[in-house]
Amino acid sequence: DAKTTQPNSMESNEEEPVHLPCNHSTISGTDYIHWYRQLPSQGPEYVIHGLTSNVNNRMASLAIAEDRKSSTLILHRATLRDAAVYYCILRRGNTPLVFGKGTRLSVIA
Amino acid sequence: DTAVSQTPKYLVTQMGNDKSIKCEQNLGHDTMYWYKQDSKKFLKIMFSYNNKELIINETVPNRFSPKSPDKAHLNLHINSLELGDSAVYFCASSRNLAGKADTQYFGPGTRLTVL
Repeated sequence: DAKTTQPNSMESNEEEPVHLPCNHSTISGTDYIHWYRQLPSQGPEYVIHGLTSNVNNRMASLAIAEDRKSSTLILHRATLRDAAVYYCILRRGNTPLVFGKGTRLSVIA
Repeated sequence: DTAVSQTPKYLVTQMGNDKSIKCEQNLGHDTMYWYKQDSKKFLKIMFSYNNKELIINETVPNRFSPKSPDKAHLNLHINSLELGDSAVYFCASSRNLAGKADTQYFGPGTRLTVL
C-alpha cells in the first residue's frame, strides 16, 4: 500500500475550522483516500473518503489536490468531541486498512 | 443497537492460558476483520474473513486461531498467551470485498492484559 505522511499532532480552538493535511506522493490512479478517526478508548470510525473530487458529508469535507499527491481533511467547526487521532489511509479496492501513526488533534475550549 | 460488538471488554489473564474474544455484527456484512493495537498505539490487521472463509492472515502466530461459525460472527481464540499478546483487539466488518471503497465498522475493542 502507498504510504501517507501526516503531522504527529495539531491543536485547534473550539468552534474554529481545522485543516488536517496528508501527503501521499506515491498514490496510484486506483487508490481511494480514506480518513478514519479514533476517539480516546474507542475503536476507529469512518470519517470520509474520496477518489478525485472534493467530498462533503455531515462530519467533514475532503479536499483533494489536483495531482492527488495530497489531501486535506476539513472539520468546519471543531468541538471538544472531535479530539482524536485522525488517520489518512490509501486503499486499493476493499483491502484491510493500513494505519499509520495519524495526527493527534487536540481541541482547546 | 450496537453494530459491531465484542466481548469481553477487558480480559486479564496469566501467561500460558488460553482465551477467546467474541465478535458479532448485526449489519448483514459479508467481511469481518481482526486488528491489533499495541502499546505504542499502532493498529495492524491480523485476519480477514469473507463469508466465513479466511482471506488474509498477516503472519500472525498460529497460537491465534480465528473461527467464523457464520457470517455475523468472528471469534478469536488465543492459545498459550504470552506477555507480548497484551494489546487492544478490534473487530471490524464491511459489506463485502466486491465494492471499491466500503466503509469498515469497528467494535469497541477488547483490552487484553497478560500477566
